[in-house]
Parts: sequence; structure tokens; C-alpha cells
Amino acid sequence: QVQLVQSGAEVKKPGASVKVSCKASGYTFTSYYIHWVRQAPGQGLEWMGIIDPSGGSTTYVQKFQGRVTMTSDTSTSTVYMELSSLRSADTAVYYCSSTKDPNQSFDIWGQGTMVTVSS
Amino acid sequence: SYDLTQPPSVSVSPGQTASITCSGDKLGYKYACWYQQKPGQSPVLVIYQDTKRPSGIPERFSGSNSGNTATLTISGTQAMDEADYYCQAWDSSTVVFGGGTKLTVL
Repeated sequence: QVQLVQSGAEVKKPGASVKVSCKASGYTFTSYYIHWVRQAPGQGLEWMGIIDPSGGSTTYVQKFQGRVTMTSDTSTSTVYMELSSLRSADTAVYYCSSTKDPNQSFDIWGQGTMVTVSS
Repeated sequence: SYDLTQPPSVSVSPGQTASITCSGDKLGYKYACWYQQKPGQSPVLVIYQDTKRPSGIPERFSGSNSGNTATLTISGTQAMDEADYYCQAWDSSTVVFGGGTKLTVL
């Protein structure tokens, strides 16, 4: 079945970078877009951006531009989200989600990756 | 930027109907969808394209969208429906989420 499996929890110091992976299975990897959504503790959902794994084109929310990089590796059906210059406000659960169309609702989600930024 | 506004909390008695609203400028001209999220779990899509239910979502979940307000309605609410609910829409290809509503079944 269609599945997204994310990498494990991370603890980082302020100023460092984190790279979270999202491995897809059960469908043609290059036929679906991957979105990244984060959720700070006790807070709501926040969309970070989208990547087209087939060509690598990306769209980032302006808030994260300059700090976020989304990439894809078609050989392993894996998408990566790297966030740099981490601060405590980046402490959150990061989710990936796949959609067949960029403007389609998120019906497939990864299990989430907790990223903690603490000195 | 485009904003979606939800009430922070809604309470309902078991067996009754719960309605959760989501307000945004001319939201009725956009597609809205709804997610349910229980503690420690990933969100689950319960309504898409305003009114459609994904496979496996109970019929007691329904949606509507008109004017400036989208509404998620849960008929015959059960204890298992207690969760956070988020609306979501698109604005110029940007994904926007509402702030979320905590549904309490008591």
C-alpha cells in the first residue's frame, strides 16, 4: 500500500541544520508531489512547501526561503527536507505528505519526525 | 496573506451534531478540506473538495462551503470523534491551514 516513512527524531543545537527524510513506497515515486508540513508543540499545522520529485522543482513558503531546501532522490524514492540556522521556534514535528496534484488534499501522510532545537 | 479562522474549541454531547466552522474571504469560491488529528498521530483527511468523503471515513462526517464559511458537520457524534480538526484551502497555489478546533465530546 501507499506509504511514507520518515526518519527518526533529531535533537539539534541553535544555529545547526537538520535533514529529514521521507521514503515513499507503494506507488510511482515521480508521479506524486511531496509537501512538508510542520506542527510546533501544542500548535496548528503549517505548510512549508512542495517538491516535484520528477524534476526537483520546488516552491517554498516565503517565511522559510533561504533556510529550507527540499530535494529528491529518485533512485531510493526518498525526499529530503533540510532546514538550516535552526532556532528554538523550529522545534516541531515535521510531516511529509504526498499528493497526485499540487492542489489536492493531503490523503497520505508520513508518521512525522520530531525535531528539537535546544542548547 | 490569506487567513482561515476557526473557533478554538467546540463541545458536543454524545449522539448530538457538532458543527465546526472555517471562515475566510470568499472561501466559497475555493475548495476546502478538513483533517482530523488525534494526540500523537498524523492528520487524517475526512472531507475534501468541500463535501466529499475519502474511502473509510464514516458517513456521519459531512462538509459544506458557501460564501465566506466552510463547515464540517459530525452527525451522531461519538466519543472517538474527540480530536483536533483543521480546515485547509489553497490561495494562489499556497496551502493555508486554519488554526484548528478542539472538539470535546462530553
